[in-house]
Amino acid sequence: DAGVTQSPTHLIKTRGQQVTLRCSPKSGHDTVSWYQQALGQGPQFIFQYYEEEERQRGNFPDRFSGHQFPNYSSELNVNALLLGDSALYLCASSLQGANTGELFFGEGSRLTVL
Amino acid sequence: GQNIDQPTEMTATEGAIVQINCTYQTSGFNGLFWYQQHAGEAPTFLSYNVLDGLEEKGRFSSFLSRSKGYSYLLLKELQMKDSASYLCAVRTDSWGKFQFGAGTQVVVTP
Repeated sequence: DAGVTQSPTHLIKTRGQQVTLRCSPKSGHDTVSWYQQALGQGPQFIFQYYEEEERQRGNFPDRFSGHQFPNYSSELNVNALLLGDSALYLCASSLQGANTGELFFGEGSRLTVL
Repeated sequence: GQNIDQPTEMTATEGAIVQINCTYQTSGFNGLFWYQQHAGEAPTFLSYNVLDGLEEKGRFSSFLSRSKGYSYLLLKELQMKDSASYLCAVRTDSWGKFQFGAGTQVVVTP
């Protein structure tokens, strides 16, 4: 049973560029959430996708956008990259209505902005 | 404001017990979760409390008091592999939005 998979694992961009990160949820899960984790901090909620729609959004600017596909996989796009966008981007999947509803995380995509 | 507070770092000896406290003040509450995160790896789920009381799961136990906005994670019979960051998280709604603390780095020494 495949867990949450993310790609790429590492990438380096320069300020002003754009990046797309990809995520495949755990088999059977229908909800994908994205989190940003800066070094030494806990994950910060970016947004959540369910039924191909953005259901909730955290305190992130519109430069951060996403998409969910019919197969439940998801993309996170960040435009006009800033140095402060350097972080580990975690994708987490879950199943709506599940008993505990815990998040299952992927290994993350580490973004460095120079 | 909304806060989840936990100590930055704790050190303990192999075989000992460590208790990581977490206090929270959030806009909503739909469960308290603890995650373990080894350096460079993804967080992994450890425990879940939604009602007051103690939940035991092998060497790990977690306690919740909703009226006090307080939880703790108890790690017993510490092993070297328990050296990791432990994240306290509150699910703030039924959709599954989580708010995380900054994590407590536990260092287990021989």
